Amino acid sequence: QKEVEQDPGPLSVPEGAIVSLNCTYSNSAFQYFMWYRQYSRKGPELLMYTYSSGNKEDGRFTAQVDKSSKYISLFIRDSQPSDSATYLCAMGDAGKSTFGDGTTLTVKP
Amino acid sequence: DVKVTQSSRYLVKRTGEKVFLECVQDMDHENMFWYRQDPGLGLRLIYFSYDVKMKEKGDIPEGYSVSREKKERFSLILESASTNQTSMYLCASSFYESSNQPQHFGDGTRLSIL
Repeated sequence: QKEVEQDPGPLSVPEGAIVSLNCTYSNSAFQYFMWYRQYSRKGPELLMYTYSSGNKEDGRFTAQVDKSSKYISLFIRDSQPSDSATYLCAMGDAGKSTFGDGTTLTVKP
Repeated sequence: DVKVTQSSRYLVKRTGEKVFLECVQDMDHENMFWYRQDPGLGLRLIYFSYDVKMKEKGDIPEGYSVSREKKERFSLILESASTNQTSMYLCASSFYESSNQPQHFGDGTRLSIL
């Protein structure tokens, strides 16, 4: 079983929808949590980084971490066509990160 | 902003060639990483380095080697390229091991081995 499991998608939503992307993990040693956005033929771009349980908000994006349930989520409000990309969750401990396989999101105008 | 630069966006090589992929970061990061990314397999760690002249094997090191002569530069070497090494190669960097800081990625090198 993988250490990090990510909802596989793909996900297709209309513009303006609220999007929820989710990952679960099994390694309780993970201390920090990230979401990356990857556009086609580009490298992953760090979107959100958090070191604790709870919510972190940045504009239309909210990252949620529940360490007790080993569950993290990324919410996108008022989704835009420019949000169409693959989203990778990642978790880290002592400088190394473990990545989910990614969820591909398409936001239709 | 952190800048991780990979020397080539696209590269085409022949089977048996020795291939060098270069990566440079400008944030004085101690850690550097090489991954390959394949559809359905996600990101897989090939090698990483915590300091100059140090290297550690990742999950799939076979057929690869690395070199880190300077802190800002981390090279991936395919000793004798094979068609199953056709992939997207991603370099990343981060601060030192115990800092618990996220990795930052370059834009990748899409390598085709013919």
